[in-house]
Amino acid sequence: EPEVTQTPSHQVTQMGQEVILRCVPISNHLYFYWYRQILGQKVEFLVSFYNNEISEKSEIFDDQFSVERPDGSNFTLKIRSTKLEDSAMYFCASSDNRAGGEQYFGPGTRLTVT
Amino acid sequence: GEDVEQSLFLSVREGDSSVINCTYTDSSSTYLYWYKQEPGAGLQLLTYIFSNMDMKQDQRLTVLLNKKDKHLSLRIADTQTGDSAIYFCAEPNSGYALNFGKGTSLLVTP
Repeated sequence: EPEVTQTPSHQVTQMGQEVILRCVPISNHLYFYWYRQILGQKVEFLVSFYNNEISEKSEIFDDQFSVERPDGSNFTLKIRSTKLEDSAMYFCASSDNRAGGEQYFGPGTRLTVT
Repeated sequence: GEDVEQSLFLSVREGDSSVINCTYTDSSSTYLYWYKQEPGAGLQLLTYIFSNMDMKQDQRLTVLLNKKDKHLSLRIADTQTGDSAIYFCAEPNSGYALNFGKGTSLLVTP
């Protein structure tokens, strides 16, 4: 069964450093998403991406964040200058082209900022 | 904005039924979703219901939707220890982003 994959599973970085989290969505899906979950809290939406552009973003997704689909398979989230409060589990998700199509999540990348 | 509300904890005995409740915010939501998160793992889409349905059954899972009260429930029949996890209710916002509840931790005891 096709699945969303994410790398790395765990990333440790120092405050102020740039990180890139990588995702490979399900191959025939057209909508891509990033969410995050701070430890013990609920899952929060960051950004959605369709047709090579951001379709929606939350207040969390400020100028420090960017997304890119550099090729036909990868979808990346970049945090330009990490802060302690960026420590969280970051989930990538994808869905097909139906409105309200189910979103399938990857296993997540745990980002620890020290 | 308003939150999707769920009770935080539920404990049941193995073999009993579990009912996890959720109150969502937008009566125009087209789909409503249940996700399962096992310890240290990602979010697994369990089931979903379209807003024109009152009930959906999928093996041991039954989803009930009360649109008037904006209430969604997930019933797990014959609950097993492997069902112990956090269960999230989610609704789409005006775009396609999902708005999640805080999750219900289900503990199944032998």
